[in-house]
Amino acid sequence: KAGVTQTPRYLIKTRGQQVTLSCSPISGHRSVSWYQQTPGQGLQFLFEYFSETQRNKGNFPGRFSGRQFSNSRSEMNVSTLELGDSALYLCASSTVASGGQETQYFGPGTRLLVL
Amino acid sequence: GENVEQHPSTLSVQEGDSAVIKCTYSDSASNYFPWYKQELGKGPQLIIDIRSNVGEKKDQRIAVTLNKTAKHFSLHITETQPEDSAVYFCAASIRLYNAGNMLTFGGGTRLMVKP
Repeated sequence: KAGVTQTPRYLIKTRGQQVTLSCSPISGHRSVSWYQQTPGQGLQFLFEYFSETQRNKGNFPGRFSGRQFSNSRSEMNVSTLELGDSALYLCASSTVASGGQETQYFGPGTRLLVL
Repeated sequence: GENVEQHPSTLSVQEGDSAVIKCTYSDSASNYFPWYKQELGKGPQLIIDIRSNVGEKKDQRIAVTLNKTAKHFSLHITETQPEDSAVYFCAASIRLYNAGNMLTFGGGTRLMVKP
């Protein structure tokens, strides 16, 4: 099976702009989670989508939003970009295995630089 | 919320030696503890995980131990090889069926294996 794919891999934006990142989960996976990775804050949970509904949300401002489509592909959007939004944005997909246990598999990430 | 602390932040070992990375968590309700390896320019890759009904799990050169009473878990890598050099992350989450995914990560350990 193909792994989690994320596009684009690299992105440069300026302050005040908005950006949309895309994630295609592993075939058959219905849950998609997003994480932000920075040298200072480490890996932080943004939100999770399952069956087109946001199921969990981390502690990020409303400028960060996401959605999931009927084919489980997901997008996240950041509006009014700030310098501090420069980070590696990681997408992870998972499926419910036997016993109700889910394992998350990560994509390669999108590296966003805000100038 | 959950808080995960990871030590050490850097670890340098000689090829063939063992490496141990330790994590502590704060929420006694956490019941799932994965470990991820992240190489430069890549997303985190799951290497092993353990659930709270198990005290130890082993996969070839990698083992994880869990002490629920003390709320800490450890990764053990034996017979280290240069290709083990990477950043390792521990994580914790509360896994309830259909309740979604929200991993809380430790700060990471940069492991360097010297040939």
